[in-house]
Amino acid sequence: AQTVTQSQPEMSVQEAETVTLSCTYDTSESDYYLFWYKQPPSRQMILVIRQEAYKQQNATENRFSVNFQKAAKSFSLKISDSQLGDAAMYFCAYTGSNYKLTFGKGTLLTVNP
Amino acid sequence: EPEVTQTPSHQVTQMGQEVILRCVPISNHLYFYWYRQILGQKVEFLVSFYNNEISEKSEIFDDQFSVERPDGSNFTLKIRSTKLEDSAMYFCASTEADSYEQYFGPGTRLTVT
Repeated sequence: AQTVTQSQPEMSVQEAETVTLSCTYDTSESDYYLFWYKQPPSRQMILVIRQEAYKQQNATENRFSVNFQKAAKSFSLKISDSQLGDAAMYFCAYTGSNYKLTFGKGTLLTVNP
Repeated sequence: EPEVTQTPSHQVTQMGQEVILRCVPISNHLYFYWYRQILGQKVEFLVSFYNNEISEKSEIFDDQFSVERPDGSNFTLKIRSTKLEDSAMYFCASTEADSYEQYFGPGTRLTVT
């Protein structure tokens, strides 16, 4: 079974600084996708960024980028120029051949003004 | 932009009562999912649904749960006899054919008293 581990229950960052959230996963599949979802206090799940396992190039979306290390099964999220609106719970998630999402326990990000 | 909608946003029910949570997936999507998030915990997969039948279900999805697509637009989750531990946020999600990217609804907060 696939597992997703987020080892940082909480992180904090100063506004305009950069922060990296960690995620590791375990799978025996070769073809899969990885995601970072943001969950603000409203509890809506918002897709931040995704990475296809077959792509070597790290995904980027504006201030958000990932460091995907397939051999190490690591998938970290970097948020640059942090903004107050980035404060939320961030979930790392995996999906493979069965299409269901497996989530990590989440990292609560606080952005300090 | 098309979005997944869910009703109601908050449902309060007494233990032992039946509840139906409703979702309207994005119109051209073919795969549908329900997830659950107990307060303070990670998001957990419940069930996936395709071509009018369950594709996969988790251990949580026992005989008390059922899903249905009663018409061309709605996708429902029924809990026959609610327990206190069913109190959670329930998220519906949908995807296009052959896509790994799931779009989430805003969730229904179920409170069982």
